[in-house]
Amino acid sequence: NAGVTQTPKFQVLKTGQSMTLQCAQDMNHEYMSWYRQDPGMGLRLIHYSVGAGITDQGEVPNGYNVSRSTTEDFPLRLLSAAPSQTSVYFCASSYVANTEAFFGQGTRLTVV
Amino acid sequence: AQKITQTQPGMFVQEKEAVTLDCTYDTSDPSYGLFWYKQPSSGEMIFLIYQGSYDQQNATEGRYSLNFQKARKSANLVISASQLGDSAMYFCAMREAYSGAGSYQLTFGKGTKLSVIP
Repeated sequence: NAGVTQTPKFQVLKTGQSMTLQCAQDMNHEYMSWYRQDPGMGLRLIHYSVGAGITDQGEVPNGYNVSRSTTEDFPLRLLSAAPSQTSVYFCASSYVANTEAFFGQGTRLTVV
Repeated sequence: AQKITQTQPGMFVQEKEAVTLDCTYDTSDPSYGLFWYKQPSSGEMIFLIYQGSYDQQNATEGRYSLNFQKARKSANLVISASQLGDSAMYFCAMREAYSGAGSYQLTFGKGTKLSVIP
């Protein structure tokens, strides 16, 4: 039972580089989200999707893009990395609105 | 105003004792859900317990129970018989129809770091 799979687990980027964080779930969940976790800040919502082809912005969307072409995959793209994007990123999915979210293992991203 | 407030940045508890982690929330939506997650030092987010706003009884899951006081807008997590493996960060979170951050998305508190002392 894979659940939510994020890749990579660790990444170091130079300022200005772009990259895509991958997220895949095998539970046929409609809801998928990306969060970032910074020390003392809890988790903050970046972007989310309520189904294939539907995405929307969360609390901190600037500098990130998402797309949802399939139910299973929800990649997060950093367009031009900045040191302020150094963080731990979590992808999550849930079946419907008021159920628990299942989280991936997280990606620790450092931008130098 | 914060949607989810966890006022205890850190707490200590003796092994085998019970501990209560505080969480207050702010919403005007009559339908919402409250969640607690555990994040051990390894970093993963582990779902512990859920309480719906219309649930009449407090949720329980093994050693975890949620002390839900709707009028006071509090959803405290109670861990009974603490174990060394309970040492972790604990996050309270809420789903509501529209939080401003996103429809039906989780809004998290800043967390409480629990340390269990042998």
